[in-house]
Amino acid sequence: EAQVTQNPRYLITVTGKKLTVTCSQNMNHEYMSWYRQDPGLGLRQIYYSMNVEVTDKGDVPEGYKVSRKEKRNFPLILESPSPNQTSLYFCASSFEIATDTQYFGPGTRLTVL
Amino acid sequence: ELKVEQNPLFLSMQEGKNYTIYCNYSTTSDRLYWYRQDPGKSLESLFVLLSNGAVKQEGRLMASLDTKARLSTLHITAAVHDLSATYFCAVDSYGGSQGNLIFGKGTKLSVKP
Repeated sequence: EAQVTQNPRYLITVTGKKLTVTCSQNMNHEYMSWYRQDPGLGLRQIYYSMNVEVTDKGDVPEGYKVSRKEKRNFPLILESPSPNQTSLYFCASSFEIATDTQYFGPGTRLTVL
Repeated sequence: ELKVEQNPLFLSMQEGKNYTIYCNYSTTSDRLYWYRQDPGKSLESLFVLLSNGAVKQEGRLMASLDTKARLSTLHITAAVHDLSATYFCAVDSYGGSQGNLIFGKGTKLSVKP
């Protein structure tokens, strides 16, 4: 089944404790992206990747890191999480963002205490 | 800086009625996307509009793009309860294949019998 998977789905952590949210797709998509969704703010793009080893900042990259060492995986790293990073995170992928639809993962709800 | 505005942000409709959601954006772009999100769920892609005058239809939903007016519309025909969801538009901020997407804040649609 074609899908985007994220892990974990739910996470409660404490300020400053490094964490990684994984994202994997099995559709051989070139484009992958991370978003956060907050009430009243809609979705905001954190980072995106047009292909392996190519990553770019979105609108809210501060406090996050990403890597794209292989096509299927695009992990989101929070080196020192803070409470303002409490949010619902979505990973998405597309074969080619210029012309194709995005497929979204199920979401990861992160709480930073 | 690209800004994307949707209106209305909340829409309560009766079944059987027609209505339109508007998505305005502030700078040149010829790529616009519409998504649907059900409560507590992830996002689902509805339409990808890639050129001026593009029109796409799926069931009771029809989306169009006017790049000169920097406006996209999502028209709902004869609404049914199953269309109740939040609808987001997103614009590629560079009008090319850069992949930096800016989302509107979403329109929460409620269709009542």
